[in-house]
Amino acid sequence: QSALTQPASVSGSPGQSITISCTGTSSDVGGYNYVSWYQQHPGKAPKVMIYDVSNRPSGVSNRFSGSKSGNTASLTISGLQAEDEADYYCSSYTSSSTHWVFGGGTKLTVL
Amino acid sequence: EVQLLESGGGLVQPGGSLRLSCAASGFTFSTYAMTWVRQAPGKGLEWVSAISASSGSTYYADSVKGRFTISRDNSKNTLYLQMNSLRAEDTAVYYCANKVGTNRFDSWGQGTLVTVSS
Repeated sequence: QSALTQPASVSGSPGQSITISCTGTSSDVGGYNYVSWYQQHPGKAPKVMIYDVSNRPSGVSNRFSGSKSGNTASLTISGLQAEDEADYYCSSYTSSSTHWVFGGGTKLTVL
Repeated sequence: EVQLLESGGGLVQPGGSLRLSCAASGFTFSTYAMTWVRQAPGKGLEWVSAISASSGSTYYADSVKGRFTISRDNSKNTLYLQMNSLRAEDTAVYYCANKVGTNRFDSWGQGTLVTVSS
């Protein structure tokens, strides 16, 4: 059981927007602005898409955005494209002895 | 271009040991904290361990504490993970990544597979 809770799957049609949620506690997501989101295509290494809740690394499309409310963080992808089909993982710093935790991952299907 | 290349994975019996290496290039290795993240077959990501730029601070997941040791050699631009008392549940692809700020795992290697089985 992962420390952060994500939906197992989401789907959307090309051009639409989707949102993936990531629910934690006040010891992780709710307590710090240190939430990151990673995209992973099959057989590939993860790639950071969002860090510190809402910041995009250089080179990441502005179709990707992040936010947080209370103990839940969200990743929104607008203008869905076929290449966005992948697994997405959230991560947060935590005050627990684990230090850093990931969500269980969400499989995004572009219909 | 940042490159991280893991090596040292393989098949090991339960209770055995293995040392993973991560060779870094394309950035000033000695100024970055580094981390190991693993992914069991068909499963999600799990943070394993991290080390500060100077090796002054090390961090471990509860699941590996006391069995795994992270270290680095800044003169060789290389990160290590010594894994002892390996268990079946340690079977995973192990990725190294450089850490920027508190929670940004920036560049990742391609991973190395560790299989613990008799």
